Amino acid sequence: QKEVEQNSGPLSVPEGAIASLNCTYSDRGSQSFFWYRQYSGKSPELIMSIYSNGDKEDGRFTAQLNKASQYVSLLIRDSQPSDSATYLCAVAAEYGNKLVFGAGTILRVKS
Amino acid sequence: GAGVSQSPRYKVAKRGQDVALRCDPISGHVSLFWYQQALGQGPEFLTYFQNEAQLDKSGLPSDRFFAERPEGSVSTLKIQRTQQEDSAVYLCASSTRQGRYEQYFGPGTRLTVT
Repeated sequence: QKEVEQNSGPLSVPEGAIASLNCTYSDRGSQSFFWYRQYSGKSPELIMSIYSNGDKEDGRFTAQLNKASQYVSLLIRDSQPSDSATYLCAVAAEYGNKLVFGAGTILRVKS
Repeated sequence: GAGVSQSPRYKVAKRGQDVALRCDPISGHVSLFWYQQALGQGPEFLTYFQNEAQLDKSGLPSDRFFAERPEGSVSTLKIQRTQQEDSAVYLCASSTRQGRYEQYFGPGTRLTVT
């Protein structure tokens, strides 16, 4: 079993819809959780970080964390074609330590 | 301010050659990480520095891989006697470790071993 699992997709949503991306992790003691966006041929770009249970909103993005279920999600509201990318979930066992990444979910937003 | 920079951006090496990849972190960032990303996969951890100290090198795939950060700023990842399986994108990330633990990535070095 991989430490961080994501559905590879592609997840296709129409422009203006909500895109929901999910991630599960195996290390119950994990402390910090991140979502990165990666465009083809580019490096990962941090879009959200979350450290405690609940929701965290930043603009069109909402990260949700449920440590009991070992589950992290990212919601993208009003999806735009420019949101089309691979979204990587990353988890750190300790604050400030190495990240363990999932393989990423490909998101396609259709105009 | 300037982000993480890496050089070269692209490197083609013949099998058996040695290569050196450079990372210049965000100014003031104490922590520096190296990751390897194969096509279609998420980045995989290689090694981690806090200032000049290499605190974790558990992800280095073999003793052909060596990293250093002698003055606590710029870091170099060296791969000796490159093999085809070393072909990947090598990513460097830095973070402050001052209450925030986000890691910011450089553009990466794409290494192709022929």
